[in-house]
Amino acid sequence: DGGITQSPKYLFRKEGQNVTLSCEQNLNHDAMYWYRQDPGQGLRLIYYSQIVNDFQKGDIAEGYSVSREKKESFPLTVTSAQKNPTAFYLCASSIAGGRMNEQFFGPGTRLTVL
Amino acid sequence: RKEVEQDPGPFNVPEGATVAFNCTYSNSASQSFFWYRQDCRKEPKLLMSVYSSGNEDGRFTAQLNRASQYISLLIRDSKLSDSATYLCVVSNQAGTALIFGKGTTLSVSS
Repeated sequence: DGGITQSPKYLFRKEGQNVTLSCEQNLNHDAMYWYRQDPGQGLRLIYYSQIVNDFQKGDIAEGYSVSREKKESFPLTVTSAQKNPTAFYLCASSIAGGRMNEQFFGPGTRLTVL
Repeated sequence: RKEVEQDPGPFNVPEGATVAFNCTYSNSASQSFFWYRQDCRKEPKLLMSVYSSGNEDGRFTAQLNRASQYISLLIRDSKLSDSATYLCVVSNQAGTALIFGKGTTLSVSS
C-alpha cells in the first residue's frame, strides 16, 4: 500500500533533550513538509523540502532541524532550543511542480515534554 | 486580514440538513485551493480540490470566487459521519506551500 508513515505515534521527552520524529513515504513524491498543530489551532509550517538535499524554513522553524538525504525520508529533530515543543506533529508529501498540488498526510506524532 | 479565515463554529445541525461553510483568503496570487477534513486527533484528509468553475462530489459542492477571494463548501443531506472539522486551504504566493485555515467544526446529530 502506498502512503506516509510516521513514528512513533506518541513520544514523551524530558526537557532539554533532543528528539527525532520519523517520516517515510512510498508515494514517489518529490516534496515533503512538516507541520505543527496545537489544540484549537491551524497547521503551521515548520520546514519543507521540494527535492533531495534541499529544504527551506517555514513559518516556525526556530528550534527545529531537518534533513532530506533520501527522497522517501524527511526526519524532523525537535531540539532543546524549541521552547514549547508539546504538540501534534504532522508530515505531508506532494507531487512537486509549478502549481501547488494537494498534500497527503501521515497519521502524526504526538509529542509531550514532561 | 488573516491569510485564510474561517468561521470556527461549531455548526450543530440535524441529520439531513444542508450546511454551508465559508472561507476568505488574503493573497490574490494564490492558485490552488482545497478543502480538507480532519477528525478529532487524526490527520487532515483531502476532501476535494476547488476549481474556478466550481465542482461537485456527491453531496459536497465547492465554489471559488477569485474576485472576492472567497471559497465555499456546501454539504447536502448531512450524515452523522460528516461530523468533523473542515479546513480551508490555499497555496502561498510562491506556490511552494499550503496555508491552512483553523477550521470549521461541524456536529451532525440524529
